[in-house]
Amino acid sequence: QQQVKQSPQSLIVQKGGISIINCAYENTAFDYFPWYQQFPGKGPALLIAIRPDVSEKKEGRFTISFNKSAKQFSLHIMDSQPGDSATYFCAALSAATSYDKVIFGPGTSLSVIP
Amino acid sequence: DTGVSQDPRHKITKRGQNVTFRCDPISEHNRLYWYRQTLGQGPEFLTYFQNEAQLEKSRLLSDRFSAERPKGSFSTLEIQRTEQGDSAMYLCASSRLGETQYFGPGTRLLVL
Repeated sequence: QQQVKQSPQSLIVQKGGISIINCAYENTAFDYFPWYQQFPGKGPALLIAIRPDVSEKKEGRFTISFNKSAKQFSLHIMDSQPGDSATYFCAALSAATSYDKVIFGPGTSLSVIP
Repeated sequence: DTGVSQDPRHKITKRGQNVTFRCDPISEHNRLYWYRQTLGQGPEFLTYFQNEAQLEKSRLLSDRFSAERPKGSFSTLEIQRTEQGDSAMYLCASSRLGETQYFGPGTRLLVL
């Protein structure tokens, strides 16, 4: 049973467009939600993260929107660039377990075409 | 480079052989984690250490797997009697207590 669900599985966006990836979770104990970016042959790298006490967080072209009541959150990549082509994972952690493990979604493969 | 390092980056072995991977965390990070990632999936938690103590092991970690962090610095993950189903990327991460985990580049294992 997946604790963190993610969609779509793959996404193709034109350069300059907006990429949107959606995630949902069930466990209300989760209280920290990072997004990781992974390039082929590399480990996941933290991109941006949010806590449920805010509804939105923006860093450069990357924005997380968070809906606590719906237990959903999403990543928006504005002005998408070919260099953004990678696999994106949403994730969740819980203070109740001292943030001892990252629970990853299944990933979204993003391709940004020129 | 002061990031998490892993060695080797790639390992090809025959079924039944033992393999050992090493992870060097970011210095002063007291937590070290191992994850496994299969093709097209997100990483799955295997185990973690706080200093030299192994605090939790996932059910994914069968008896053939053992991890150590003897001096609270680097860690090793050993797989005995490898099986084809063990083929995956093995990722190491480190963090300070309660803070962001930083991942290494992984060791890709192929069991023939």
